[in-house]
Amino acid sequence: SQKIEQNSEALNIQEGKTATLTCNYTNYSPAYLQWYRQDPGRGPVFLLLIRENEKEKRKERLKVTFDTTLKQSLFHITASQPADSATYLCALDAGNQFYFGTGTSLTVIP
Amino acid sequence: EAEVAQSPRYKITEKSQAVAFWCDPISGHATLYWYRQILGQGPELLVQFQDESVVDDSQLPKDRFSAERLKGVDSTLKIQPAELGDSAMYLCASSLSLAGFIEQFFGPGTRLTVL
Repeated sequence: SQKIEQNSEALNIQEGKTATLTCNYTNYSPAYLQWYRQDPGRGPVFLLLIRENEKEKRKERLKVTFDTTLKQSLFHITASQPADSATYLCALDAGNQFYFGTGTSLTVIP
Repeated sequence: EAEVAQSPRYKITEKSQAVAFWCDPISGHATLYWYRQILGQGPELLVQFQDESVVDDSQLPKDRFSAERLKGVDSTLKIQPAELGDSAMYLCASSLSLAGFIEQFFGPGTRLTVL
């Protein structure tokens, strides 16, 4: 079955710095990969989608890369703010099933 | 802005009882998903519908869980009987279609506690 690994430990960074989150997957070659944000007690919110033929995608302060050879996606938040503190989930399709990673908890310290 | 509605938001029940959760997707969204999320883990897909048809329910514990979307709009997820291990957040999501590259819109979830 599909296995998705994200940074296992919580990530704490100083405000203004760039946060980099990692998503590694095995056993399948997804056509696309998505990143979501989840705040405590709430449902995930879609942030970005990147296709297998795209190397990089940007949206405002967010940047996602997708390396199908390494089977890895990196998610960057530049000029981080305390409001960026949340859990970030990567998700991918594996045929007709959809899998989420365990998420990485990010705390931006003022 | 259109949202996915879920009810109840919280449910406390005793083991061996039956529980049901309701989801109303965004209008016009053909695809509906039910996920279970245990604290500290990512959402796990239980079942997905395309209109009123089940597309995938391979991860649904069918001995106790059932899901339906009779008219292809709102959906109900039922657990009978509930077990202690069912305590989790149950999330409903919808998307425009099953086709790839489509973002999912999530509801606020139902927090289930089984005592």
